Amino acid sequence: RKEVEQDPGPFNVPEGATVAFNCTYSNSASQSFFWYRQDCRKEPKLLMSVYSSGNEDGRFTAQLNRASQYISLLIRDSKLSDSATYLCVVKGAGNMLTFGGGTRLMVKP
Amino acid sequence: ETGVTQSPTHLIKTRGQQVTLRCSSQSGHNTVSWYQQALGQGPQFIFQYYREEENGRGNFPPRFSGLQFPNYSSELNVNALELDDSALYLCASSSGTSPHEQYFGPGTRLTVT
Repeated sequence: RKEVEQDPGPFNVPEGATVAFNCTYSNSASQSFFWYRQDCRKEPKLLMSVYSSGNEDGRFTAQLNRASQYISLLIRDSKLSDSATYLCVVKGAGNMLTFGGGTRLMVKP
Repeated sequence: ETGVTQSPTHLIKTRGQQVTLRCSSQSGHNTVSWYQQALGQGPQFIFQYYREEENGRGNFPPRFSGLQFPNYSSELNVNALELDDSALYLCASSSGTSPHEQYFGPGTRLTVT
């Protein structure tokens, strides 16, 4: 079983739609959680951290459920520019970031 | 832009050869982490360097080695290249050993034939 699992997609949605991605992680000792965004043939960039209480940044909302070892990302009012791969990332007690395989989102006009 | 640079951008090598990839960290950052990203997969942690010492290693064989220099730039060396080593190699710089955020460079795309 992979340490961080994501549905690879692709998720094809129309502009303006709401889309949600899920991620599960296997290490219950994981301490920090993030969503990164990666555009085609580019480097990953931090989208947002994920906190236990849930957090929102504009159209993006992240949730963490430690009991179920589950992380989610909700994107509201999707834009064409949101098309990218979204990487779920977990950091344990050490210094290593563990990435999921990514979920590909394609927003269509 | 993150201020993290990598060279070269692309590289083609033959199986069995050796390769050195380079990374310059963002100003003020003393930690460099290296990742391998195969096509269609997420990045996999190779190792991290903090103040010129290896400070954590992922599940990669010893033929993957590295260095960090006093200016905190870093090299990744891979010996005895295999076809499966073909991937995008990313370095990420950060401050401290338990960084909240890592800033990635644009990567080096290595093709092994």
